[in-house]
Amino acid sequence: AQSVTQLDSHVSVSEGTPVLLRCNYSSSYSPSLFWYVQHPNKGLQLLLKYTSAATLVKGINGFEAEFKKSETSFHLTKPSAHMSDAAEYFCVVSSRQGGKLIFGQGTELSVKP
Amino acid sequence: EPEVTQTPSHQVTQMGQEVILRCVPISNHLYFYWYRQILGQKVEFLVSFYNNEISEKSEIFDDQFSVERPDGSNFTLKIRSTKLEDSAMYFCASSYRQGDEYEQYFGPGTRLTVT
Repeated sequence: AQSVTQLDSHVSVSEGTPVLLRCNYSSSYSPSLFWYVQHPNKGLQLLLKYTSAATLVKGINGFEAEFKKSETSFHLTKPSAHMSDAAEYFCVVSSRQGGKLIFGQGTELSVKP
Repeated sequence: EPEVTQTPSHQVTQMGQEVILRCVPISNHLYFYWYRQILGQKVEFLVSFYNNEISEKSEIFDDQFSVERPDGSNFTLKIRSTKLEDSAMYFCASSYRQGDEYEQYFGPGTRLTVT
């Protein structure tokens, strides 16, 4: 069965410093992986996705993630945090059939001025 | 940009009452989903719906739950007799097709509180 584990429930960074949100996955086959973001009172928005093409995936708002099969990781990074990046971030894997999404626990990102 | 909408944003109900949560998916989308998130827990898949039929459901989605698309635009989740443990944020999502290349677009959620 597929699963994802987000290693930090809360990450706090200062504006202008790098962001690293960690995610490990477990899958019996080559997975498709996603990062979603949720701002307060908004729906979940897709940041980026990996679907077996390039292992370094670029998303919206300067975020990127690297699929590392040897480490079963899909960490989300951004070189320089902005105040507007403060939100909840979810690492997600899809089921083999491609419909159901399986979510990690979420990481709340705080950005200090 | 088209978006998924959900109403109400917050619903309070008494245990044993029926509730209907409403969603308006993006107009040309064909696949519809409900997920829920109990406070402090993961977002969990409930059900997917295509061509007026349930295509997949989780163990959570028991006989107390039902979904329908009554008028070709709304997509509803009904809980027949609510329990305290049904208190959660419920998210609706839609996609044009099923598959990883087709993004699921999520609504802002309905917070259900069962007292």
